[in-house]
Amino acid sequence: AQSVTQPDIHITVSEGASLELRCNYSYGATPYLFWYVQSPGQGLQLLLKYFSGDTLVQGIKGFEAEFKRSQSSFNLRKPSVHWSDAAEYFCAVGTNAGSSNTGKLIFGQGTTLQVKP
Amino acid sequence: KAGVTQTPRYLIKTRGQQVTLSCSPISGHRSVSWYQQTPGQGLQFLFEYFSETQRNKGNFPGRFSGRQFSNSRSEMNVSTLELGDSALYLCASSLDRQTVGYTFGSGTRLTVV
Repeated sequence: AQSVTQPDIHITVSEGASLELRCNYSYGATPYLFWYVQSPGQGLQLLLKYFSGDTLVQGIKGFEAEFKRSQSSFNLRKPSVHWSDAAEYFCAVGTNAGSSNTGKLIFGQGTTLQVKP
Repeated sequence: KAGVTQTPRYLIKTRGQQVTLSCSPISGHRSVSWYQQTPGQGLQFLFEYFSETQRNKGNFPGRFSGRQFSNSRSEMNVSTLELGDSALYLCASSLDRQTVGYTFGSGTRLTVV
């Protein structure tokens, strides 16, 4: 069955420290992978996506993620966290049927990031 | 370039009523997907519309329905509202079914009392 697991429900880091949010997926075909961020009461903002090519993907706001097929992982990283990064982060896998996307994203349960001053 | 617009932002309805939510995708985007977000179940896929046709559907009861118009705007309808339907409903648009990328709106917060 297709699924996404974010093992850490809540993470607290100090401002300026590095960050890694974990994501593991289960999907039979080559996955399309996404990281989204959500601030309270807001929609989802796309941080980065992977669908082919270089396994290290650069996104907005200084975030990057690395696709590791052997580990079925797509972890999100940032070298130095800012207080404004406090939010909820979602990893998702996009499903496809043949050459078409299905419009369906399967989301992990999310990781809430708290940043200490 | 305007983003994905969802209206209304907030809605309070009484159990048993029905509700219609609206989503205007990014100009030129033809695929629209809907999601329900609740604290207990997280983000769950409702359905996807492309070229005015429902192409994919999640595991929700028939009380949840939607449609897409020729200008790609989409509406979703929930009939006979239950308390458990209280959620943030998010709409996402994509250029087409080959492009990898979904842009989300800010959502409609539905409260059923």
